[in-house]
Amino acid sequence: QQQVKQSPQSLIVQKGGISIINCAYENTAFDYFPWYQQFPGKGPALLIAIRPDVSEKKEGRFTISFNKSAKQFSLHIMDSQPGDSATYFCAASSKGGTSYGKLTFGQGTILTVHP
Amino acid sequence: DAGVIQSPRHEVTEMGQEVTLRCKPISGHDYLFWYRQTMMRGLELLIYFNNNVPIDDSGMPEDRFSAKMPNASFSTLKIQPSEPRDSAVYFCASRKGAAYEQYFGPGTRLTVT
Repeated sequence: QQQVKQSPQSLIVQKGGISIINCAYENTAFDYFPWYQQFPGKGPALLIAIRPDVSEKKEGRFTISFNKSAKQFSLHIMDSQPGDSATYFCAASSKGGTSYGKLTFGQGTILTVHP
Repeated sequence: DAGVIQSPRHEVTEMGQEVTLRCKPISGHDYLFWYRQTMMRGLELLIYFNNNVPIDDSGMPEDRFSAKMPNASFSTLKIQPSEPRDSAVYFCASRKGAAYEQYFGPGTRLTVT
């Protein structure tokens, strides 16, 4: 019930295209859904996050869409650029019980944006 | 402000040796997390501390792994004895209070031969 399932494992898009990465969760106690971006040799960096009280959050070219009833959320990268090539992780967290603030990560998506 | 600092960045050791990884969290952050990243298992939470006290160590793989946080600005993750299957990138992350956001360090790449 603590799992977060992420797809696809890898994604190739052309420069200027839209990249879409999807995640699904089981635990209805999750109340925070961040996306992390990781470049080779670096630690994951928080990219954007959403709470379940809104269905969409946009920051620049990055948008999270959230569907509470389906227990799914997705990251959309508009006008994808070669510099966006990285591994993206979705995650989920709750503040309930002994899991206070623990992040459960998806398996990651390797995004390659071709120039 | 300095981010999370980890040392060493790379460690190569032989099977059976003791390995100690170090982490300095962001100043003022009272939560500290240790993660392990592998291709097969992704990012796994090993243990986390709040105000220097271990809260949840259910992710620690076995007794060969131990972690300490003697003060608010320093934590160690020790593996003794190390095995080849411990080869991975180990990340430390920190968080402030009730905020959800965690900030990761650059990681330590451990290779056990």
